[in-house]
Amino acid sequence: AQKVTQAQTEISVVEKEDVTLDCVYETRDTTYYLFWYKQPPSGELVFLIRRNSFDEQNEISGRYSWNFQKSTSSFNFTITASQVVDSAVYFCALKTAGNKLTFGGGTRVLVKP
Amino acid sequence: DVKVTQSSRYLVKRTGEKVFLECVQDMDHENMFWYRQDPGLGLRLIYFSYDVKMKEKGDIPEGYSVSREKKERFSLILESASTNQTSMYLCASSGTGLFYEQYFGPGTRLTVT
Repeated sequence: AQKVTQAQTEISVVEKEDVTLDCVYETRDTTYYLFWYKQPPSGELVFLIRRNSFDEQNEISGRYSWNFQKSTSSFNFTITASQVVDSAVYFCALKTAGNKLTFGGGTRVLVKP
Repeated sequence: DVKVTQSSRYLVKRTGEKVFLECVQDMDHENMFWYRQDPGLGLRLIYFSYDVKMKEKGDIPEGYSVSREKKERFSLILESASTNQTSMYLCASSGTGLFYEQYFGPGTRLTVT
């Protein structure tokens, strides 16, 4: 069975601080994808990034970066120089065979001005 | 732009009523999903469909049924609503394959009194 754990339930930062969100996953599959989604107060989940299980290269896209480590089954996500508009709930998700996503419990990020 | 729409943003129903939640997507996606979202529990899959008239149970199907008569439309049915079905309901759609992210609708907040 698949499982995704986001140990941080809520993080509060002041604008311009960096925020790192932790995600740990469990799966026996060797081929899978990992995703991060953002859910702003409006409620609609928005896709942010994805990474496949064969590509452990870390990447940066604008203010977002992610760190995928297969050895520790972790897929952490960092927002650099946070802004008030980054306030949202962030979900990590795992996709294995069958097109279904398994979500973590979410981390609420509050960025204060 | 992919669009997933849900018939209502807010809905209030009485215990025992039959409730229909409608979801429509405009990207010709094969797969459609219904989730419920509760605080601290993340998103939990109720049912999904990978083709017209095809459906599969998710993690929490009890008390729900679904219908997919047309490719673009996926309905969630609460046969006899109960107070423990008060929740946020999210619909999503995606292409087939590990790579594809799911696109979400804005959600329906259902209150059963």
